[in-house]
Amino acid sequence: QQPVQSPQAVILREGEDAVINCSSSKALYSVHWYRQKHGEAPVFLMILLKGGEQKGHEKISASFNEKKQQSSLYLTASQLSYSGTYFCGTVNAGGTSYGKLTFGQGTILTVHP
Amino acid sequence: ETGVTQTPRHLVMGMTNKKSLKCEQHLGHNAMYWYKQSAKKPLELMFVYNFKEQTENNSVPSRFSPECPNSSHLFLHLHTLQPEDSALYLCASSQASRINEKLFFGSGTQLSVL
Repeated sequence: QQPVQSPQAVILREGEDAVINCSSSKALYSVHWYRQKHGEAPVFLMILLKGGEQKGHEKISASFNEKKQQSSLYLTASQLSYSGTYFCGTVNAGGTSYGKLTFGQGTILTVHP
Repeated sequence: ETGVTQTPRHLVMGMTNKKSLKCEQHLGHNAMYWYKQSAKKPLELMFVYNFKEQTENNSVPSRFSPECPNSSHLFLHLHTLQPEDSALYLCASSQASRINEKLFFGSGTQLSVL
């Protein structure tokens, strides 16, 4: 079962912050984040493992709350280059879908000057 | 440049045509994947190959036929497609088909079926 991302779209001005959420109805082993710019390949951002860790990639960071089966991606002081579609992917902690990476529907982020 | 190259970038085909998509990775990876990306839908995993062996077929219709002659090349053979098969087809690779492997994607082939 695929994770659900919110919001579906975000429009920002340069320098503003944004949060993208990813929720699952299943217990999670890990959460993966990717970004895809228009016409380009999706690019890996980070993986978060169960244990409630938080990671960062420049001014983009993420947290993983395994109890709530949620992850959030934080974009701080956004830059024009942050525009694109952000996908979370989840790996379930057990069951028949254990080990499978399933992607959410994506969040479109647009940063204006 | 992610190290994964897909050709062609765009393809238009009729429902009776036969065509093939090609993917090549220059990263020394052992696992390769086909994903389908339709408008407003999540990325859907289609096939997984690990060390040239198919390890996953995600209930994909037989009109899609994958081929992995070696760890660097992956093909998707298409025949008798339907208009609903129009989508962006993405190839990806990873070191191995294990949990928490980082995927490297190609830029995709935009397929239109008329």
